[in-house]
Amino acid sequence: EAQVTQNPRYLITVTGKKLTVTCSQNMNHEYMSWYRQDPGLGLRQIYYSMNVEVTDKGDVPEGYKVSRKEKRNFPLILESPSPNQTSLYFCASSDRRTGSYNEQFFGPGTRLTVL
Amino acid sequence: AQSVTQPDIHITVSEGASLELRCNYSYGATPYLFWYVQSPGQGLQLLLKYFSGDTLVQGIKGFEAEFKRSQSSFNLRKPSVHWSDAAEYFCAVGAVETDSWGKLQFGAGTQVVVTP
Repeated sequence: EAQVTQNPRYLITVTGKKLTVTCSQNMNHEYMSWYRQDPGLGLRQIYYSMNVEVTDKGDVPEGYKVSRKEKRNFPLILESPSPNQTSLYFCASSDRRTGSYNEQFFGPGTRLTVL
Repeated sequence: AQSVTQPDIHITVSEGASLELRCNYSYGATPYLFWYVQSPGQGLQLLLKYFSGDTLVQGIKGFEAEFKRSQSSFNLRKPSVHWSDAAEYFCAVGAVETDSWGKLQFGAGTQVVVTP
């Protein structure tokens, strides 16, 4: 089944404790992206990657890091989480090659709480 | 840069009644337009999309949307809502330019409540 998976789905942590949220897609998509969803703000892009080893900042990159060492994986790293990073996070992927016009497929989301 | 406005934060509709969700966008050219639905505790599911051609597009679950260039709008409609349509709906605009490819700008969302 074609899908985007994220782990963990739920995470409660404390301020300053480094964490990684994994994202993996099995559709051989070149493009991957991370969003955060907050009430009243919709989804905002954190980082995106056009291909392996190519990443760039989205609208709200502060406090986050990403890496793209393999095509299928795009982990989101919070080196020193703070309470304002409490949010619902979505990973998404898309295939540029088939004329999909940046239609993105979303993972199930990761709900992060930073105490 | 593109932007999206969903004027209605919250809509309550009776089961069986029609539904229309508004979406207005700002963009220099014809963008790629999407509607996503998020059911409680779920991820985002694509309802429909517009790239070019016929301005009335059909989607899943009986939804349709109409692209109106003159009004910069892409409103979502359903003739008769079901209780299972209770969810949050997001309009999104995608960039056409190669160097911005993949970037989606989302509206703030419209929460739909369906009453018996």
